[in-house]
Amino acid sequence: GAVVSQHPSRVICKSGTSVKIECRSLDFQATTMFWYRQFPKQSLMLMATSNEGSKATYEQGVEKDKFLINHASLTLSTLTVTSAHPEDSSFYICSARESPLRVNSPLHFGNGTRLTVT
Amino acid sequence: DAKTTQPNSMESNEEEPVHLPCNHSTISGTDYIHWYRQLPSQGPEYVIHGLTSNVNNRMASLAIAEDRKSSTLILHRATLRDAAVYYCILYNNNDMRFGAGTRLTVKP
Repeated sequence: GAVVSQHPSRVICKSGTSVKIECRSLDFQATTMFWYRQFPKQSLMLMATSNEGSKATYEQGVEKDKFLINHASLTLSTLTVTSAHPEDSSFYICSARESPLRVNSPLHFGNGTRLTVT
Repeated sequence: DAKTTQPNSMESNEEEPVHLPCNHSTISGTDYIHWYRQLPSQGPEYVIHGLTSNVNNRMASLAIAEDRKSSTLILHRATLRDAAVYYCILYNNNDMRFGAGTRLTVKP
């Protein structure tokens, strides 16, 4: 089946530094990828929708200058948390849709990145 | 905002069937009903989806009400590995927002 690889799985960084999270579709092309954030005991919150070759669409309340998304190829999207602060500590999850021709194709998710900002 | 409502939690005994309900009274004609589940510290996993007709796959069955305002995910024989949070989502093109989901506990 379709596989989405997310890296790193866990990262600890100091306050003020930036962290990049990669999301790769390993065996399919993904024109659309989604980025989510999840706090403990809560559901996934959609942060942004990333379309290959164009700017990402951010959800209301998500700072686009803080959470930089780049979807430069059909198999890779990156999320960079800039100037991270402890309140950015969370579980970040990406997902990808398998085919642009099947608008209802299921999403495939990465295994998430646990970010801890000290 | 999520367009589905699910019970916060449910319990089941191992080897017994589980019926997980989902209400989506504002569903539109082009919305598909998707189900995903999430195990602790992992990303969600696709379970099943449908539009109008009931669907079966190796993981589960999906029963969709005739008016499409509700659906039920059926796990025919729950195992301990089925303990997870189950999310019911209305999916239309690029709109993929999660509600709170149902936390399923499976008792041995």
